[in-house]
Amino acid sequence: DQQVKQNSPSLSVQEGRISILNCDYTNSMFDYFLWYKKYPAEGPTFLISISSIKDKNEDGRFTVFLNKSAKHLSLHIVPSQPGDSAVYFCAASAPFSGANSKLTFGKGITLSVRP
Amino acid sequence: DGGITQSPKYLFRKEGQNVTLSCEQNLNHDAMYWYRQDPGQGLRLIYYSQIVNDFQKGDIAEGYSVSREKKESFPLTVTSAQKNPTAFYLCASSIGQQYSNQPQHFGDGTRLSIL
Repeated sequence: DQQVKQNSPSLSVQEGRISILNCDYTNSMFDYFLWYKKYPAEGPTFLISISSIKDKNEDGRFTVFLNKSAKHLSLHIVPSQPGDSAVYFCAASAPFSGANSKLTFGKGITLSVRP
Repeated sequence: DGGITQSPKYLFRKEGQNVTLSCEQNLNHDAMYWYRQDPGQGLRLIYYSQIVNDFQKGDIAEGYSVSREKKESFPLTVTSAQKNPTAFYLCASSIGQQYSNQPQHFGDGTRLSIL
C-alpha cells in the first residue's frame, strides 16, 4: 500500500517557466513533508520541507504548498533552470512512527527543463 | 567539511557471499538509516538506529544486518539470504529523536551488483 504517491513519472518544462510537482498521501498521521532532489548515481539532496501547521513554505525559487484536507502537496520551482533537471522525491513522516524522522518516500518525478 | 561518506561507490558480490557497505558521518547526528532504491522506485527503509548500540528493522530488513558500535558509523551487511541484492544503497542521518521535524541527509550511495 503506497502511502505517498507521485502519480506523474515525468514532467518537462521550458527554462524560465514554472515547474509544479505534485504529491498525494493517504496516511492522515503524516505531519511533516519534505522534497528531495536526486541526480543519477548520487544521494538525494534535501530541498525544502513543511510541517502540517503551515500551508506554505518558501525558500528562494522553491515553494511547497500543503493542502491537508486534500492530502496533497506540491513543489513549485520558479523560474525553472536546466540545472533543476533531476528526479524529485516527495517524503513524509508521522510522529511516534518508531523513529524520529522515519520517512516514507514516493517513487519520484523526473523533471526535465528544456533550454 | 561535514557530511556522510559511503564506500565503496561500486561493489560487486558473488552469489552466496556476504558483503558490508560502509557509512560514516561527521555531523554528530544521533540517528542513522539505510535505504534501498530500485529502478523506478522510491527509497525503502532497511534498518535505522536512533542511538549507539540500538537499531530497529525497517520495512525490508530480511537478508540484511547492521551494527551501531560508534555514533559515527552504521555499516550494513548484505547477507547471502538476501535474494535480490542488486540495488542502489543509501545511508542517511538526522539529528535525532529529541528534535522533531528534522530532515535526513544522505550520502552518495553504493551500487551493489551480483556477478
